[in-house]
Amino acid sequence: ETGVTQTPRHLVMGMTNKKSLKCEQHLGHNAMYWYKQSAKKPLELMFVYNFKEQTENNSVPSRFSPECPNSSHLFLHLHTLQPEDSALYLCASSQGGAPGHETQYFGPGTRLLVL
Amino acid sequence: GESVGLHLPTLSVQEGDNSIINCAYSNSASDYFIWYKQESGKGPQFIIDIRSNMDKRQGQRVTVLLNKTVKHLSLQIAATQPGDSAVYFCAEINTGTASKLTFGTGTRLQVTL
Repeated sequence: ETGVTQTPRHLVMGMTNKKSLKCEQHLGHNAMYWYKQSAKKPLELMFVYNFKEQTENNSVPSRFSPECPNSSHLFLHLHTLQPEDSALYLCASSQGGAPGHETQYFGPGTRLLVL
Repeated sequence: GESVGLHLPTLSVQEGDNSIINCAYSNSASDYFIWYKQESGKGPQFIIDIRSNMDKRQGQRVTVLLNKTVKHLSLQIAATQPGDSAVYFCAEINTGTASKLTFGTGTRLQVTL
């Protein structure tokens, strides 16, 4: 276990549904990340939060809405998704702050299927 | 542009042999590199890292080599075991810019008996 948990592990939703992915880290880290992992593609960074503040939005469509209520929790709210959004969504955390703390630790991911 | 890539998408190795997984990067400003292992149904797991002031670093059964001259990174796994079967990613970062890792596409390591 890496100390990063994600729920649900699997999710099937229709294009008109609204759902949320949850991530929690037990490592005392200050930075959290959302990634999208599709088949045969590199990991795509979506959002970065440092000390609860969003520091990066990597041109992600507005149908993905992140929320970071505190340094330990990160959500990804989903609405009106498209079939091409089907992928593995990975959460990661790192210590954040000064350089030297860049190593990111990943959760197990949520496998999302959009019908 | 910045890119991190892997030479071979699939590597098949016999149990007990050594494995070598390669990675090329194009950003000469990258100064920190990480290897991750991703098993089926799991998230990437940190294996080993190396900073640009080093050219070799050893862990338990794993060694990472960094050749800055040709911008090449490799992961060596000694005495490969069935449990080593996974996809391996390299990632690079320029720590002077931000904590933003750039990942390669991954190499699948298959260990045969």
